[in-house]
Amino acid sequence: AQSVAQPEDQVNVAEGNPLTVKCTYSVSGNPYLFWYVQYPNRGLQFLLKYITGDNLVKGSYGFEAEFNKSQTSFHLKKPSALVSDSALYFCAVRPDTGRRALTFGSGTRLQVQP
Amino acid sequence: GAGVSQSPSNKVTEKGKDVELRCDPISGHTALYWYRQSLGQGLEFLIYFQGNSAPDKSGLPSDRFSAERTGGSVSTLTIQRTQQEDSAVYLCASSPYLDSFEAFFGQGTRLTVV
Repeated sequence: AQSVAQPEDQVNVAEGNPLTVKCTYSVSGNPYLFWYVQYPNRGLQFLLKYITGDNLVKGSYGFEAEFNKSQTSFHLKKPSALVSDSALYFCAVRPDTGRRALTFGSGTRLQVQP
Repeated sequence: GAGVSQSPSNKVTEKGKDVELRCDPISGHTALYWYRQSLGQGLEFLIYFQGNSAPDKSGLPSDRFSAERTGGSVSTLTIQRTQQEDSAVYLCASSPYLDSFEAFFGQGTRLTVV
């Protein structure tokens, strides 16, 4: 069975500073990894994915994430945070074979202070 | 429509009543997923459909939950004899095909059982 851990319930960062939202995973086989963002009163929006290839993937709104196989991590990063980045972020994983549904972490609330 | 549509957006029901939640996926998407998001929790997989294949029901929490997908398009999630612990936001997502890596989510139905 697969699982995702997001160890921080909330991350606080000042506007203009770099941000990191942590994610570690467990899956049998090769992982497909995803980040989604949920703004208040809105549905989940896809940010980025890692399927294969370059370990550093770039996504929407200036976000990027680095796949680290040895540490089974897929941390979300952004060089300079914006107040508008404040939202709930979910990491998700699915295996490359078997059940196709995503397994999500519990979410991390990002608060960017002006 | 342009996105995944769910109805109703909010539903308040009395304990013991049955409820039906509807999902209209993006036109042409063959894969459809249901998830549940409880307060302070991550997303919990419930069921997914892919074309004419048998659905994966492995995430349904009890036999009070069922789902169908008619004509490969609209899906209905039914909860019988609702309990207070069923209160959550029910999210539907669709993707062009099962191995498509990006799922598009609706805004969800907030179910409150009183």
